[in-house]
Amino acid sequence: GEDVEQSLFLSVREGDSSVINCTYTDSSSTYLYWYKQEPGAGLQLLTYIFSNMDMKQDQRLTVLLNKKDKHLSLRIADTQTGDSAIYFCARGGGFKTIFGAGTRLFVKA
Amino acid sequence: EAQVTQNPRYLITVTGKKLTVTCSQNMNHEYMSWYRQDPGLGLRQIYYSMNVEVTDKGDVPEGYKVSRKEKRNFPLILESPSPNQTSLYFCASRGADRVYGELFFGEGSRLTVL
Repeated sequence: GEDVEQSLFLSVREGDSSVINCTYTDSSSTYLYWYKQEPGAGLQLLTYIFSNMDMKQDQRLTVLLNKKDKHLSLRIADTQTGDSAIYFCARGGGFKTIFGAGTRLFVKA
Repeated sequence: EAQVTQNPRYLITVTGKKLTVTCSQNMNHEYMSWYRQDPGLGLRQIYYSMNVEVTDKGDVPEGYKVSRKEKRNFPLILESPSPNQTSLYFCASRGADRVYGELFFGEGSRLTVL
């Protein structure tokens, strides 16, 4: 995506926390999303945050939004091998969704 | 079950041989879109459709065509495929809410053009 950037790889040990980071340049989006892509499958919405929120927690997932720095992060607590996937940051603007390149999360047992 | 169905899932073809990748959704969604996924580049939008008979170019439309004759179907047409169109293709759909836009994706179609 032209204005959504994220690192391409992250490796963590099973049981540790994973933090996937994303930056974007266009601050007009109302919603920001995290999608998960498991091997051989399409993307599925994992969680989202409304742009007037700073944080959203959903079980093991915590999303932090720093609007000033245009920085979005996804924290996965107690990472499991089943969390191994590609995670895409995305921002919504009207009917257009802009995706980052995806962060491949490797979980070592 | 709510789903987006793409066919074929895998295809190997040769340069210049026209092909169509079909996409169908059963959620009565107005909006449908095609993306291609390439390593390091993420998802790039090819074409999208806001409703029947309404289509528009995305970021990488060259070499592709689409049509939206029915609400549920949004086929992607490669009139004369070339090797640089070797990629993983995803169809997605969403409802009419202009603000909140969860996309529902198909499982992907892996295309190889020799």
